[in-house]
Amino acid sequence: GAGVSQSPSNKVTEKGKDVELRCDPISGHTALYWYRQSLGQGLEFLIYFQGNSAPDKSGLPSDRFSAERTGGSVSTLTIQRTQQEDSAVYLCASSHWDWWRRFSEAFFGQGTRLTVV
Amino acid sequence: DAKTTQPPSMDCAEGRAANLPCNHSTISGNEYVYWYRQIHSQGPQYIIHGLKNNETNEMASLIITEDRKSSTLILPHATLRDTAVYYCIVRGPSNAGGTSYGKLTFGQGTILTVHP
Repeated sequence: GAGVSQSPSNKVTEKGKDVELRCDPISGHTALYWYRQSLGQGLEFLIYFQGNSAPDKSGLPSDRFSAERTGGSVSTLTIQRTQQEDSAVYLCASSHWDWWRRFSEAFFGQGTRLTVV
Repeated sequence: DAKTTQPPSMDCAEGRAANLPCNHSTISGNEYVYWYRQIHSQGPQYIIHGLKNNETNEMASLIITEDRKSSTLILPHATLRDTAVYYCIVRGPSNAGGTSYGKLTFGQGTILTVHP
C-alpha cells in the first residue's frame, strides 16, 4: 500500500488476555517506530527498529510488552496479560533508513485503538 | 534531544495567518527543528523542518531565530482543516552507541483551533 497500515483498527480485550498489534510499514522503509497515545495525552515512544534489530527499546513500559520485526518489513507489538492502563492508541511509523544522517520524514499509520475491559 | 516549550493552545480566524511559537533554548548546533501536526483521530503528519535557515514548503513556513533558541511555524492562510495539535520537536543525528537516533520525542504540543 501507499502508506503505513495498522491492524486491527480497534481492539477490545479482557484484562489478562494477550494481544498482538500489527504494522505494515511503507515498502522500502527500514526504520520502524512504535508509539502509544493515551486519552488526552501526548505520544509516548515505545521502540525503534532498524531492519530486524531493535537498537532502542527504552520506551517499552514493562516486560509484558515486546515487539518483533521479520524480513525487515512487518512488525508485531505484543502485550501480554493486558491491564486497563494499557488502553491507548498504538501508533506505528516508518521512515527511510538514513533518518539519522539526512532528514527523512516519519510516516504514521492511523493507529490501533486498544481498550482493555 | 533538546526540550521544547509550546503554548498549550491558540486560536486563529479562518483565512488569517497562524503563528505558532516554540522555545528550544538548549538546542545544540547539530539539532534540527521539526514540526508535526496531529488532526483528531489521525496519526501525526510531518509539516516542515529546518536547521538554521528559514524554510518554506507548500504547507507552511518555518522561521528560526538567529540564535536558534526559538522558532515559529507559520500557516499563511489557516483553514478549518488546520485545526490540530502542533508538535515542535528538536532532534539531532545519532551519536555512536547512542539511542537518540530514530526517535521523535513528542511534547504536549499546541492545540490550534481555527474558527470561522
